[in-house]
Amino acid sequence: EPEVTQTPSHQVTQMGQEVILRCVPISNHLYFYWYRQILGQKVEFLVSFYNNEISEKSEIFDDQFSVERPDGSNFTLKIRSTKLEDSAMYFCASSGRLQTYEQYFGPGTRLTVT
Amino acid sequence: GNSVTQMEGPVTLSEEAFLTINCTYTATGYPSLFWYVQYPGEGLQLLLKATKADDKGSNKGFEATYRKETTSFHLEKGSVQVSDSAVYFCALSGGSQGNLIFGKGTKLSVKP
Repeated sequence: EPEVTQTPSHQVTQMGQEVILRCVPISNHLYFYWYRQILGQKVEFLVSFYNNEISEKSEIFDDQFSVERPDGSNFTLKIRSTKLEDSAMYFCASSGRLQTYEQYFGPGTRLTVT
Repeated sequence: GNSVTQMEGPVTLSEEAFLTINCTYTATGYPSLFWYVQYPGEGLQLLLKATKADDKGSNKGFEATYRKETTSFHLEKGSVQVSDSAVYFCALSGGSQGNLIFGKGTKLSVKP
């Protein structure tokens, strides 16, 4: 069964450093998403991506964040200058059909900023 | 704005006990409602969904009914197993691009 994969599973970085979180969505999917979950809090929507551009973003997704689909398979989230409060689990998701809202999630990357 | 509230965990049950995890929502319009499950070390998996009022979603013995009058989507299972131990998330469809709005998650532990 096809699945969404994410690398790395755990990333530790120092405050102010840039990080890139990587995702490989399901191959025939067209809609891509990033969510995050700060420990003990809700899973929060960050950004959606379709047709090589951002289609929607939340208030959390400020100028420090960017997304890219550099080739036909990867979907990346970059945080330009990490802050302590960026420490969270980051989930990538993809969907083949917008109308069903059925999203398939990866296992997540735990980002720890020290 | 749209939001989801689900019961705080953790919930600890004995095998074969009845499970209810409460979920209520606030939304404009007619969102679709979902339950996702996260097993240890894995990603979120869609467990069941309902797209309109009075729909019942079901999967793997779990059920939830979309109740518009009470704005609820409670998850139930008649007889839980140890393998059901996981974190359960209630969610609704949010923006126009399909983003989901999640509750905080409820951790379920089932003891043999």
